[in-house]
Parts: sequence; C-alpha cells; structure tokens
Amino acid sequence: DAKTTQPTSMDCAEGRAANLPCNHSTISGNEYVYWYRQIHSQGPQYIIHGLKNNETNEMASLIITEDRKSSTLILPHATLRDTAVYYCIVTGTASKLTFGTGTRLQVTL
Amino acid sequence: EADIYQTPRYLVIGTGKKITLECSQTMGHDKMYWYQQDPGMELHLIHYSYGVNSTEKGDLSSESTVSRIRTEHFPLTLESARPSHTSQYLCASSTGTGAYGYTFGSGTRLTVV
Repeated sequence: DAKTTQPTSMDCAEGRAANLPCNHSTISGNEYVYWYRQIHSQGPQYIIHGLKNNETNEMASLIITEDRKSSTLILPHATLRDTAVYYCIVTGTASKLTFGTGTRLQVTL
Repeated sequence: EADIYQTPRYLVIGTGKKITLECSQTMGHDKMYWYQQDPGMELHLIHYSYGVNSTEKGDLSSESTVSRIRTEHFPLTLESARPSHTSQYLCASSTGTGAYGYTFGSGTRLTVV
C-alpha cells in the first residue's frame, strides 16, 4: 500500500464545504484511493473511492489530480454530524485495510 | 440496520479472567477482521480470517486468539485478561472484492481492572 499524508486536524463552519487533502506521491498504477470516516469511537464507515477519475456520491466528492499523487475529499455542505476522523487509504488489494492517523475534522456552528 | 454484531458493547472484568468477545455477521462475507483501538489513537489490525478454519495474526502483536469455525462467527478470546488489554475492539467483515466493502461492528469497549 502506498503511504499517505494527511493534516492532523481541520476545522470547518457548518454549511460550508469541507475540503480534506491527502498526499500519496508513491501511488502505483493499480492502487485505488479510498476514504473512510470514524465518528466518535464507532466503527469506520466507507465514504467513497476512485482510481483516476473524479467521483461523486450522495455523501461526498473525490477529486484526484491528473498525476494521481494527491486527492481531495469534499463534503459539500458540512454539518455537525460530519465531525469525525477521516482516513485516506491507498491500496490495490481488498484485504487487511490499514487506517493510519487520519484527519480530525471539527465542524463548528 | 447493522449486519455485523458485536457483544458485549461494554465489559468491565477483573485481572486474570478469561473473556470472549463475540462477532457475528449475516452478510455471508468470507473475510473478517479484528482491530484494536485505544482512545484517540490509530486502529491496529490484530487478527484476520479469509474463511472457515483460516486465521492469521495482524500487524499488531496481540495476546488474544481467534477462531473461525463458521463463516458468520469470528470470536476473540483472551485467556487471562490484564489491565494492558483495556481498549476498544472492533470487528469487521468484507466482501473481498474491493477495499470499499468493509462493514464494521459497533465495537466492544473492554476495561480490565
């Protein structure tokens, strides 16, 4: 799995877009970018994933740079319930997911 | 609705006791995992299984053991609990077709006194 680098923490005002960056400069061609989040101490929850094209679902958008060395998870209208730790994971396998330290997003009023 | 169930949700137990944390899933997933997480810290993989009668140790060394006799059931056992085992234990299962297919249980918060 490629190593990822994320900011330790970020703040976002409620209603605004939250943009969470992730660097993965050693990503290889068959590796996908996945995002999970963990709210308080619940189990992590899958958000979105992509290979090289930008992706959007009902939860978020994922923007991957053309060289694939970095990506950004976008929560378009953050709410207090989006306060969580967000994990960027780069892997080419479906097994043994490694979570790292993630970004602690605090959404405020 | 939860398709993966962990019991108990909270457990406080004395040193030296044997404990088993239960994990069951109804999705028919072959792959199951146990993660350990201290408050505010990273998740660490301690055990995984790719199917019945298959178990492997994870990236973090653990004194616990696991078994996989049935596809849906993946219990974790501590033969003699110690205060250093105090932590949250999270069980997960996956479809195996991609890293998006992980489903986690609600966790067991274990305190050994």
